[in-house]
This record gives sequence, C-alpha cells and structure tokens, in this order.
Amino acid sequence: KAGVTQTPRYLIKTRGQQVTLSCSPISGHRSVSWYQQTPGQGLQFLFEYFSETQRNKGNFPGRFSGRQFSNSRSEMNVSTLELGDSALYLCASSSTGAGTNSPLHFGNGTRLTVT
Amino acid sequence: TQLLEQSPQFLSIQEGENLTVYCNSSSVFSSLQWYRQEPGEGPVLLVTVVTGGEVKKLKRLTFQFGDARKDSSLHITAAQPGDTGLYLCAPIQGAQKLVFGQGTRLTINP
Repeated sequence: KAGVTQTPRYLIKTRGQQVTLSCSPISGHRSVSWYQQTPGQGLQFLFEYFSETQRNKGNFPGRFSGRQFSNSRSEMNVSTLELGDSALYLCASSSTGAGTNSPLHFGNGTRLTVT
Repeated sequence: TQLLEQSPQFLSIQEGENLTVYCNSSSVFSSLQWYRQEPGEGPVLLVTVVTGGEVKKLKRLTFQFGDARKDSSLHITAAQPGDTGLYLCAPIQGAQKLVFGQGTRLTINP
C-alpha cells in the first residue's frame, strides 16, 4: 500500500510570491490534515479536510488555504509569502479523521524556504 | 485553552542507558497518541493509549497513560542509536484536529 506522497519535496520562493503544495493520501483515506512545522513553534495544525469539506481550521491567516478533490488528493496554497512562512509543511491522511483514535499517516513533507 | 507540555525538550544520552520522557496537559483527554519523527521524515505513530492507568509495551518502549488522563510517559530501556528522533505526544479530544506537543528531541550516542 503506497504511503502519503507530498510534492514537491523542496521549494524556494521569494517574498510576495504564492505557492501550491500537493498531497496524495493513502488509498481509501478520506481525511487529509495539513501541519506547519518550525523549530520554534513545533507542529501547528493548519486545516483538515474530509470528503472535500474543510472540517476544522487552525489559527493561521487567510493567506493559507486548502482544498480537497473528489479523489481525496489535497492541495494547500499560501499567497503573498512572508519570510516567516519558511517551514516544513506536512500532510497526513487518516481513515476516520484527525482527532480520533485512527492514526495519522504523514508524508515526508515539503520544505519551503522563502527568501 | 489546553496547555500541553513535553519534557525534557532535549535529551542526549549514551547507548544502553534508560530514559523517560513526559507529556502533561492541563486538561483531561479521552486518549493519547505518541509519534516519533526521524530526520527528513514525517512523524510515525508508535502507540495509542485509551484507558486511564493503561500501560503498553512496544519492544523496549513502555507507554503509560496517567490515571487522571491528563499525562503520559514514555520509558525506553537500553536505548539504541536507532531510537534517536523527535518524540511527539498528541492528546485526542475530537474536534477534527490533532494538537501536538513541542516534542522531546532524543539523541542516543553510540
């Protein structure tokens, strides 16, 4: 069974640009969660999608957005990039959703560097 | 607002030693998960504890869920270099999200 796939692995962008990250969940998983990981803040929850609906959102500005497609693949978009957006972005899929006893299966992340 | 604290933040020990890391919350939670993250990879689930007072063993790792369901500990016996990583706890409280602690960064020196 293929794991969670995130593309690209690395991205370098300039302040003010926008970026789109992609996540393909494990086959059959309908929940995809996104997290931002930085050394100072740890793993911060961005949002969770289940069957194309956003069910929960973390405390991030509106520049961070996401969507989920009918095949459960998900994308997140960050507009007007700031230096502080440099981070490892992780997505995780789950069969029943985040916040349940079902495990989150993480991808290896996209490392975003904003210069 | 739930406060979640993991301690210690950093731990560096020699191969063969024992260690314990802790996860404490200001709130009661229904269950809790522990994940380990190795460099360059995403976190991987180690265990889910669901009953107050529960003890679960995974080879040399022993996980305990506090009786009051507000804390948990992870004990590693005879640590090995392969145990190196970031250990994250995540209390489960529904709400369609999983909140992680800051983690304990463990280094096992050969």
